Amino acid sequence: QSALTQPASVSGSPGQSITISCSGTSGDVGSYNRVSWYQQHPGKAPKLMIYEGNRRPSEVSNRFSGSKSGNTASLTISGLQAEDEADYYCCSFVGSTTLVIGGGTKLTVL
Amino acid sequence: QLQLQESGPGLVKPSETLSLTCSVSSGSISSSTSYWRWIRQPPGKGLEWIGSIYYNGDTYYNPSLKSRVTISVDTSKNQFSLKLTSVAAADTAIYYCARGNQLLGGSFDIWGQGTMVTVSS
Repeated sequence: QSALTQPASVSGSPGQSITISCSGTSGDVGSYNRVSWYQQHPGKAPKLMIYEGNRRPSEVSNRFSGSKSGNTASLTISGLQAEDEADYYCCSFVGSTTLVIGGGTKLTVL
Repeated sequence: QLQLQESGPGLVKPSETLSLTCSVSSGSISSSTSYWRWIRQPPGKGLEWIGSIYYNGDTYYNPSLKSRVTISVDTSKNQFSLKLTSVAAADTAIYYCARGNQLLGGSFDIWGQGTMVTVSS
């Protein structure tokens, strides 16, 4: 299985919105509504931001949202804040028990 | 709040076996809604799923590592473990254990702090 494809980097200014894409295939992202997104600050463990494509854990800000179209999932962050600067990873199931993770995207808040 | 803590040697020699344990506290490893997983991250690189185990012992592995990986569970100790054989420098990474929560679509909702393992002679 190949890693999901994410842009290496994205950037935006405070207050703006950005979108990070996660491209897969009909065997992973396209087949299951079980894409999750993770935020990782330097030296820290990843943190769950979105699950089941568009659901947010209660502790995550509503500035974070997820969506999917075909074989591509997306994470949108609105009202960018300095604290959003981090690496972001998408993850999808392949079948019911195997997982594949994207290569990661570095978000820079200008 | 359930917590996870990785433990094991920080240095492993090439061709030897890497062994790590993840201790689960403030919760039961026998939860029917939880899968227990290992993920690794080479320095400066992305995350890689290694494998998962259910409390009944059912295991699922990344096909690229399957021939070298064994994940086991000890419900009496509330722990699960990772063994990776024939290690090489490419296996140098931060190794995380995490919970896959079926109530959250199988996503990784709780992570350990991670433990750095270096493969070097």
